Amino acid sequence: GAGVSQSPSNKVTEKGKDVELRCDPISGHTALYWYRQSLGQGLEFLIYFQGNSAPDKSGLPSDRFSAERTGGSVSTLTIQRTQQEDSAVYLCASSLVGGTWETQYFGPGTRLLVL
Amino acid sequence: RKEVEQDPGPFNVPEGATVAFNCTYSNSASQSFFWYRQDCRKEPKLLMSVYSSGNEDGRFTAQLNRASQYISLLIRDSKLSDSATYLCVVNSPSSASKIIFGSGTRLSIRP
Repeated sequence: GAGVSQSPSNKVTEKGKDVELRCDPISGHTALYWYRQSLGQGLEFLIYFQGNSAPDKSGLPSDRFSAERTGGSVSTLTIQRTQQEDSAVYLCASSLVGGTWETQYFGPGTRLLVL
Repeated sequence: RKEVEQDPGPFNVPEGATVAFNCTYSNSASQSFFWYRQDCRKEPKLLMSVYSSGNEDGRFTAQLNRASQYISLLIRDSKLSDSATYLCVVNSPSSASKIIFGSGTRLSIRP
């Protein structure tokens, strides 16, 4: 079946602009995660959605970052007033129910470059 | 101290060699452990989970040492296709959902 998809695959924007990144999880997966990976670094947890529960936003680095998940499926990560340090690969992952013992399936990521 | 620490490498070994990486974690209450593999400019993919008793999948063996709080990955008879970054992953005991990724160990297999 289809895996996790993300769009756009690449995004170049100017400092101060807002960007929206989209994630389509695997059908039937109730858990969805956003991560950020800077060059040569590990994955930094940003936010987690599970079903209808309140999202875990503990990893969002500032109030310029927000995310929504509509209808329990597609998610959008929004970065307002982008800064150069926001440049990174933004990865989305989904899993069946969200337990820490589960495999997370990743999308190909969105490479964001803020000029 | 980082929650999950790995030697960044790179490890550069000849094809056919055996190579091993360790990863240390800081929270003794962690219960879930994994190795993910990430190819250059690709997304991470699960390589294997790590069980308390240790587990093997073909040429790959993963072990957990709770007393010393580390996990290891051993690759035998390495292939060129094993060249990748290997990410150590541990659950965060303070969260029911969060897992923590190490920065990765880069492995390069030469012919």
